[in-house]
Amino acid sequence: GAVVSQHPSWVICKSGTSVKIECRSLDFQATTMFWYRQFPKQSLMLMATSNEGSKATYEQGVEKDKFLINHASLTLSTLTVTSAHPEDSSFYICSARDLDDNEQFFGPGTRLTVL
Amino acid sequence: GIQVEQSPPDLILQEGANSTLRCNFSDSVNNLQWFHQNPWGQLINLFYIPSGTKQNGRLSATTVATERYSLLYISSSQTTDSGVYFCAVGLMDSSYKLIFGSGTRLLVRP
Repeated sequence: GAVVSQHPSWVICKSGTSVKIECRSLDFQATTMFWYRQFPKQSLMLMATSNEGSKATYEQGVEKDKFLINHASLTLSTLTVTSAHPEDSSFYICSARDLDDNEQFFGPGTRLTVL
Repeated sequence: GIQVEQSPPDLILQEGANSTLRCNFSDSVNNLQWFHQNPWGQLINLFYIPSGTKQNGRLSATTVATERYSLLYISSSQTTDSGVYFCAVGLMDSSYKLIFGSGTRLLVRP
């Protein structure tokens, strides 16, 4: 099956700093990637859709200046949490869709803790 | 927006038992996927099943799109089946977005 990686798998940072999370499709090309957020014992909430070569589309209530998304190539999307605060602590998961397929594949997630 | 409901929310089984998990959705969809989230948070793709029936080992799934529901069957459950099972549906537009249900938390006891 298709493989999606994320880096880092976990990160601890101080309040006010920025954190960048990478999402890569390893064995397929993905014109569209998605970023989700998951709080403990809750479901996944879609944050934004990342399109290669164009601006990301954010879901209602997600601050685009807070969560910067860049989709630089067909295999890489990055999420930068700017000026992180403790309430941004969460599990961030990306997914990718193959060019010729409707099925999505998910990365292993990044656990962010902001002190 | 579309609503995705999963039942039951929690399920405890003895090893070897069978179970059925249900996913209801409120509008037409062009994608339905079942996932197992392991204790480390990784989402494992179980089925891509917008319609019809599929089987993979002890797991099988059926989606009846016209009646807006999908079922995941787990037979002869094992302790390694424990975790959270999510269904997610894709909207009938060109966005390819997936909307997740609230999940079923399964615990299989030895």
